[in-house]
Amino acid sequence: AQSVAQPEDQVNVAEGNPLTVKCTYSVSGNPYLFWYVQYPNRGLQFLLKYITGDNLVKGSYGFEAEFNKSQTSFHLKKPSALVSDSALYFCAVRGLTGANNLFFGTGTRLTVIP
Amino acid sequence: GAVVSQHPSWVICKSGTSVKIECRSLDFQATTMFWYRQFPKQSLMLMATSNEGSKATYEQGVEKDKFLINHASLTLSTLTVTSAHPEDSSFYICSAGRADDEQYFGPGTRLTVT
Repeated sequence: AQSVAQPEDQVNVAEGNPLTVKCTYSVSGNPYLFWYVQYPNRGLQFLLKYITGDNLVKGSYGFEAEFNKSQTSFHLKKPSALVSDSALYFCAVRGLTGANNLFFGTGTRLTVIP
Repeated sequence: GAVVSQHPSWVICKSGTSVKIECRSLDFQATTMFWYRQFPKQSLMLMATSNEGSKATYEQGVEKDKFLINHASLTLSTLTVTSAHPEDSSFYICSAGRADDEQYFGPGTRLTVT
């Protein structure tokens, strides 16, 4: 079975500081991993994905994520946080079935403090 | 490109009535559409996967007679919540899958059943 875990419900970081939102995965076979962001009362916006290739994936809005096979992790990072980055972040893994459905983590609420 | 819309964005209905939510891919043809449900401060739970012209595949625990899904064309899928009750109140999000395996999410529909 495919699953992801986000161990932190809440992450607080000061504006300008680096941020990390953690995600670990459990998959059979090669993982297809994703990060999405959700603003209040809005749908999900795609940030980045890892399918294959370089372990460091760069995405939208200055975010990046590092795929670490030995630690089964796919942490989201940004060198310098902005107040506007405050939102709910979801890690997801693609299912094994023919359809490309996604299984989401429980989400991490990021608050960037001015 | 790859824009997905949902209508309505917010709906209030009385207990016992039915509500239809539309999901449209505006600028691409979606071979697969997904319906998710999100409770407050929780993650997205996949409800069903629908392919154009065929019956939807429901996840375990989702009542297919209560949540009717129709995917009549490559750009439109509908979710009808039949005989809605207050416990059906939730945020419903659709996504559309494209040939490149990316999923694009709609902005969500907030359903409140009184």
